[in-house]
Amino acid sequence: DAKTTQPPSMDCAEGRAANLPCNHSTISGNEYVYWYRQIHSQGPQYIIHGLKNNETNEMASLIITEDRKSSTLILPHATLRDTAVYYCIVREGYGGSQGNLIFGKGTKLSVKP
Amino acid sequence: DGGITQSPKYLFRKEGQNVTLSCEQNLNHDAMYWYRQDPGQGLRLIYYSQIVNDFQKGDIAEGYSVSREKKESFPLTVTSAQKNPTAFYLCASRMTRGSYGYTFGSGTRLTVV
Repeated sequence: DAKTTQPPSMDCAEGRAANLPCNHSTISGNEYVYWYRQIHSQGPQYIIHGLKNNETNEMASLIITEDRKSSTLILPHATLRDTAVYYCIVREGYGGSQGNLIFGKGTKLSVKP
Repeated sequence: DGGITQSPKYLFRKEGQNVTLSCEQNLNHDAMYWYRQDPGQGLRLIYYSQIVNDFQKGDIAEGYSVSREKKESFPLTVTSAQKNPTAFYLCASRMTRGSYGYTFGSGTRLTVV
């Protein structure tokens, strides 16, 4: 079973920040938080991942709470092309079967003009 | 450019036939994975391989078979024993060292006719 809980859907206005929450209250100390997104009928695309500290790359920012029980993916200026299903996943970062991704149903983000 | 290639993009199968889905990567990744996705659902793990000539069953391996004769290739055979094979199939790969994320292919949509 997926170790994360996400809202099934969210809307965001084009040009505004999209903040996607994720709860992972049972995360263990060596598990990372990963975010992927899937545009309809395509393979999932890696966005960002983190362990404890907040992370930022060219696509998004990841904010992880101090207790690591929840996180937020931030798309700073959402565009229509950001409409997709966003998956939050926790897993060990290093090798072994524990490194497999377990996908939940994700959050369907709809960016509206 | 490095990447992971799945073929064909669309595949139609008659009931009772075996079909093989191709997955090739030139990323020098150690591990490769096959996932199945049904409409409106997350991804479910079929098989994975962390090294050449070795592979393990995932959560829904019944009716499927794989081989890993080369590091670059991880074909999936959907056998006639799979009772409900119509689905979207995704192949992924990753390095087993480090906390790197997965790279996914663009998927194969299999339909039983």
